[in-house]
Amino acid sequence: EDQVTQSPEALRLQEGESSSLNCSYTVSGLRGLFWYRQDPGKGPEFLFTLYSAGEEKEKERLKATLTKKESFLHITAPKPEDSATYLCAVQAGSGNTPLVFGKGTRLSVIA
Amino acid sequence: NAGVTQTPKFQVLKTGQSMTLQCAQDMNHEYMSWYRQDPGMGLRLIHYSVGAGITDQGEVPNGYNVSRSTTEDFPLRLLSAAPSQTSVYFCASRRRLNTEAFFGQGTRLTVV
Repeated sequence: EDQVTQSPEALRLQEGESSSLNCSYTVSGLRGLFWYRQDPGKGPEFLFTLYSAGEEKEKERLKATLTKKESFLHITAPKPEDSATYLCAVQAGSGNTPLVFGKGTRLSVIA
Repeated sequence: NAGVTQTPKFQVLKTGQSMTLQCAQDMNHEYMSWYRQDPGMGLRLIHYSVGAGITDQGEVPNGYNVSRSTTEDFPLRLLSAAPSQTSVYFCASRRRLNTEAFFGQGTRLTVV
C-alpha cells in the first residue's frame, strides 16, 4: 500500500529562522511527488512537482528536493506570510492510481 | 479561466437529507477527484474519474455517489446525510495522472 508520512506535524519558527519539512514515502514506482500549500479556509495551492531522485525546484524562499525515499521542503529565512499547512502527495506508477496525500505540516512563522 | 469551481461554499443538512455538491472545471482536464478533509486525517479520497463515463472508488466511498457525464462536471451526491459526513470537501482536476492537481475552494458541510 502506498504511504506518505510528513514530519513534523507542526513547526513554529521565528522570522528568518530557516528549517526543513520532511515527506517520506513508500510507493510502487514513483511517477511524481507534489508539494502544496494550504491556507486556512482555502483549497491546496500547487507549489512543486519532482519526478526523479536528485531533482530540485526553487521558488522564492522555498526549495524542494527529492531522494528515493523522501522529499524535503527547505524554507530559507521565512516570513510570517509563509505560515500555512504544507502538504505532500505522491503519484505511484501503477495504472490509474490516484494521488496519495500526507497529513501535512502546519507551519507558523512568528515575527 | 475560472479553474475548478465548487458550489455551494457552505451547507447545513439535517440527518437523512440528500444533496449534491457541484464541481466544474474549465481546463479540459480528464482526471477529476473528490476529497474530504478532517482535522488530523489529512485529505482522503472519496471517488475519482479518469474521463467522462468512468468513475472509481477511493479510500472512503461509502455514503457517496458520483457520475461523470461530461468532461467539465463531476458532482458528488450524498444519499442520506449522516453527522459523520460533516467535513470540508474538495474537488480537484488534473490534466493527466503525473501532473499537478488543481483544487477548488472547498465546500464546508455540516450535518446536524
